[in-house]
Amino acid sequence: RKEVEQDPGPFNVPEGATVAFNCTYSNSASQSFFWYRQDCRKEPKLLMSVYSSGNEDGRFTAQLNRASQYISLLIRDSKLSDSATYLCVVGNYQLIWGAGTKLIIKP
Amino acid sequence: SQTIHQWPATLVQPVGSPLSLECTVEGTSNPNLYWYRQAAGRGLQLLFYSVGIGQISSEVPQNLSASRPQDRQFILSSKKLLLSDSGFYLCAWSNSLYEQYFGPGTRLTVT
Repeated sequence: RKEVEQDPGPFNVPEGATVAFNCTYSNSASQSFFWYRQDCRKEPKLLMSVYSSGNEDGRFTAQLNRASQYISLLIRDSKLSDSATYLCVVGNYQLIWGAGTKLIIKP
Repeated sequence: SQTIHQWPATLVQPVGSPLSLECTVEGTSNPNLYWYRQAAGRGLQLLFYSVGIGQISSEVPQNLSASRPQDRQFILSSKKLLLSDSGFYLCAWSNSLYEQYFGPGTRLTVT
C-alpha cells in the first residue's frame, strides 16, 4: 500500500459545481496534513493546511478523519481557474506527497 | 517576505555531462532546504534535505549530490547525468517540519 494515495482523475466538472477529493494515508502516527495545488508545469503552492477540527477558506473546505486515515478537500462553486492538480501531503517527521488528483473545470 | 529563487528554468544536457542547479532563499534565516524531483505525471520524490550549513541528508541513493555552502544556498549536482535524471527539479524551504514553499523549478531534459 502506498503511504499516501490519491485518485489520479481527471475529474471533469462543470463550472459552478461542487467537487470533492479524498486522500488516504497509511501512517497512523502522521501529524501534519496539507493540500497543495499545482498548475501545469509549475511549482506546487500551498492551498491549505488540514486541522483536526476541519477548516474552511472561502470556497475550499478541508477535513481530516483520523479513524479512517483520510483527508478530504471540497471545492464549492468551482471556477475555471480551479483547474489544476491537487496534491495531498501527509507528514510526521517528513512530508510524504501523493501523486495528485487532476481537476478540469469545464465552462 | 520570503522569496526562493532557482535557476536555470530549463536545461537540456547530454548524457554523461555534469549538472549544477542552484537555489537561494531570501527573507529568512536558517531555513530547512529540500530538493525534490518530479517525473512527468508523477508525485514529488524527496532527494535531499538540509537543516543547516554543511548538513545534508540523502533520501534516495543515486548519482546526484547536494551541498549547502551558505545558510540560504542549496546546490544540486551530478558528475555524469543519466537519461533517468530527466525531470522537474524543485527546491523548497520551510521554517519547521511543516509547510514547505517551492521555487519555480528547473525542467531538466537529458538527451
